[in-house]
Amino acid sequence: DADVTQTPRNRITKTGKRIMLECSQTKGHDRMYWYRQDPGLGLRLIYYSFDVKDINKGEISDGYSVSRQAQAKFSLSLESAIPNQTALYFCATSAASGANVLTFGAGSRLTVL
Amino acid sequence: GENVEQHPSTLSVQEGDSAVIKCTYSDSASNYFPWYKQELGKGPQLIIDIRSNVGEKKDQRIAVTLNKTAKHFSLHITETQPEDSAVYFCAATYTGFQKLVFGTGTRLLVSP
Repeated sequence: DADVTQTPRNRITKTGKRIMLECSQTKGHDRMYWYRQDPGLGLRLIYYSFDVKDINKGEISDGYSVSRQAQAKFSLSLESAIPNQTALYFCATSAASGANVLTFGAGSRLTVL
Repeated sequence: GENVEQHPSTLSVQEGDSAVIKCTYSDSASNYFPWYKQELGKGPQLIIDIRSNVGEKKDQRIAVTLNKTAKHFSLHITETQPEDSAVYFCAATYTGFQKLVFGTGTRLLVSP
């Protein structure tokens, strides 16, 4: 099994729908992140959490919310999806100490029509 | 805040040639510079990193160099192979900040 698992892997939805992307990890890491990947824009940080009671906005948090349900689970929600949220979303984890090494999931491709 | 620029956006080489990808960063406090490789359909994976107390680091066919004065760092891949084809991301951060800022990515294509 993968260390960082994202569900769903692919999702097509319509404008205005609520969408949740889920992430679970078996790394035992305290820190979890949601990134968005767009062609030509690289990876941009949406939200991050350093422990269960800690939630922080990244550089592009507008239109998104997150929930850290447990150390191993971190979900990303789009309350009312819009077409420009069509992108590839990645969950990542890292240990609290040591290098900033991120372990990424395989990604969730979201298409908003 | 930190800003990382990455060039080129695409790079095509013949198998066996060398490939170089360059990044510049803006925050002089940054002291950790990793490189991630993203293969098709997968998430990025760390391939090499360098800290600001060294100028160069090698791992088999890949190497990273850092010029703190100019605030740029580069990834060098020698003897490229088709399996090196992927998207490569550079990133930067500093101790205590704990958030990586990524470059925009370079798509490397190695032709047999």
